[in-house]
Amino acid sequence: EVQLVQSGTEVQRPGSTVKISCKVSGYTFTDYFVHWVRQAPRGGLEWVGLVDPDDGETLYAEKFKGRLTISADRSADTVYMELGSLKSEDTAVYYCARVPGRWQHLEFWGQGTLVTVSS
Amino acid sequence: EIVLTQSPATLSLSPGERATLSCRASQNIITFLDWYQQKPGQAPRLLIYSASNRATGIPARFSGGGSGTDFTLTISSLEPEDFAVYYCQQRSNWLTFGGGTKVEI
Repeated sequence: EVQLVQSGTEVQRPGSTVKISCKVSGYTFTDYFVHWVRQAPRGGLEWVGLVDPDDGETLYAEKFKGRLTISADRSADTVYMELGSLKSEDTAVYYCARVPGRWQHLEFWGQGTLVTVSS
Repeated sequence: EIVLTQSPATLSLSPGERATLSCRASQNIITFLDWYQQKPGQAPRLLIYSASNRATGIPARFSGGGSGTDFTLTISSLEPEDFAVYYCQQRSNWLTFGGGTKVEI
């Protein structure tokens, strides 16, 4: 059974950095890209970026460049999303999702990680 | 950026009725369009990919259609568990999502 299990809720101060993990199981880690998507409290879904766990190649949405790092640890079957210079607008639920190919449909999702940015 | 506009924002129906949801893209995305269902407190769930292909385990009452800029998700006969929010998403040029349609009783 394919599973993506994310780390728990985070509360962060403005200007700090958060790192969320997404541990996968039930398939070969390096065979599938993983995307990150976030959902703000008002409900809209927004694409954040992706990683190819096979070679570590990443692509980021323009608005996050410079403060976003997505990485993959092949020894732990885990993908990480690190977002710095946090602002209140970054408060959202962050999801990881597996795709069958780089720009394919988001077929399996993690349960989500709530990140709250507040002073 | 490709903008997806979903309509209506809210659809008020009864169990057993037919639901028709619309998603319009700001430019031609061929059939690079997927549909997701989301219930409160849960992650989105893939329903339809590439405009018209049902994902594994999705009941036959869900169907998708369209190409180019206009797409439709149809639920032929609403079951109680179908009342949720539905999102379309394009992957022709990066990934963007529509604003969602809430199907309520």
